[in-house]
Amino acid sequence: KAGVTQTPRYLIKTRGQQVTLSCSPISGHRSVSWYQQTPGQGLQFLFEYFSETQRNKGNFPGRFSGRQFSNSRSEMNVSTLELGDSALYLCASSLYLGSHTGELFFGEGSRLTVL
Amino acid sequence: EDQVTQSPEALRLQEGESSSLNCSYTVSGLRGLFWYRQDPGKGPEFLFTLYSAGEEKEKERLKATLTKKESFLHITAPKPEDSATYLCAVQAQGAQKLVFGQGTRLTINP
Repeated sequence: KAGVTQTPRYLIKTRGQQVTLSCSPISGHRSVSWYQQTPGQGLQFLFEYFSETQRNKGNFPGRFSGRQFSNSRSEMNVSTLELGDSALYLCASSLYLGSHTGELFFGEGSRLTVL
Repeated sequence: EDQVTQSPEALRLQEGESSSLNCSYTVSGLRGLFWYRQDPGKGPEFLFTLYSAGEEKEKERLKATLTKKESFLHITAPKPEDSATYLCAVQAQGAQKLVFGQGTRLTINP
């Protein structure tokens, strides 16, 4: 069974640019969550999508957005990049909304560097 | 606000030297507490879910326990392949997101 696939794995952008990250969940999983991981803040919740609808959102500015397609694949977008957006962006999929068992399946992440 | 604090930040052990990692939490009604393992360059990998005080879960050399204020991850006779960052997370009642701690970076020397 294929795992969660995230693309691209690495990317470098400059301040002010925008970036789109992609996530393909495990087949059959309908929930996709996004997390930002930095050395200082650890893993922080960005948002969760289920059945193409954003169901929950973390405390991030509106520059961070996402969407989910009918095949459960998800994208997140960050506009007007800032240096502080440099991080590992992790996508996680689960069968159910909110993953009541806590069992999230994470991808390997997209490492974004903003110069 | 829900909070998770893990200690120590880093821990070095010799192979076979047992120890425990701590996860203290404050949450407005606990739905579940979760342990994950993260290897360098990889995403976190799910280990355990604990739902109520007194509950214990085991997997190979790992055992997780839960009280009303904290959880422990006990590592018995660890091997070098147990080296990783161990993350603790909580989910509040009625919430969907997980709130993670900063993690404990565990190194097992052969």
